[in-house]
Amino acid sequence: AVQMTQSPSSLSASVGDRVTITCRASQDIRNDLGWYQKKPGKAPRLLIFAGSTLQSGVPPRFSGSGSGIDFTLTISSLQPEDFATYYCLQDYNYLWTFGPGTKVEIK
Amino acid sequence: EVQLVESGGGLVQPGGSLKISCAASGFRFTDFAMHWVRQASGKGLEWVGRVRSKPNSYATAYDESLEGRFTISRDDSKNMAYLQMNSLKTEDTAVYYCTRRAEWELGGMDVWGQGTTVTVSS
Repeated sequence: AVQMTQSPSSLSASVGDRVTITCRASQDIRNDLGWYQKKPGKAPRLLIFAGSTLQSGVPPRFSGSGSGIDFTLTISSLQPEDFATYYCLQDYNYLWTFGPGTKVEIK
Repeated sequence: EVQLVESGGGLVQPGGSLKISCAASGFRFTDFAMHWVRQASGKGLEWVGRVRSKPNSYATAYDESLEGRFTISRDDSKNMAYLQMNSLKTEDTAVYYCTRRAEWELGGMDVWGQGTTVTVSS
């Protein structure tokens, strides 16, 4: 199965900061990657699919980029409701895998 | 309203079995593959597996770490998906979410249930 790594595992940031999270696949996965936001006690939320396509209803401060092995999720101006854990998910083949997550905390 | 509602979670002893359900409403169920994702307390999200639609032969796939203990199925006549869990281990304790992914459109897992808690303990 494709293995996914994320960095950093956690970060502290302030409201208004630009935040970048990276995800790396163990092999070329084209652009078959999504980004999900998870808050405690809530269901995961789809932010980005196909590497860079913004899910309907998601604010445009979220963006995704990358293809092949390396991918990035960027939050252009962090808002209070964005403090959460973010996961990448590869859906390249029939066995999907999440990255270990990046926790975004308040500085 | 597009909705997924899980049910059937609870306490089960190690080595036991449990079947949890996912009721879908508000969308054409047959156009979607149904997935299960779990999260143990303090841990990350883990993809469990999926069942595809009838045109895709109801094909299933599972995380390799499950070692064949779990089975995902669906009943299109009832708009239901199921996760049968056998030979349960304490490490299977988690919140289990069902979610969907469109079969013939580009997209991700865009609708999720609220989750059902499975606790494996003696």
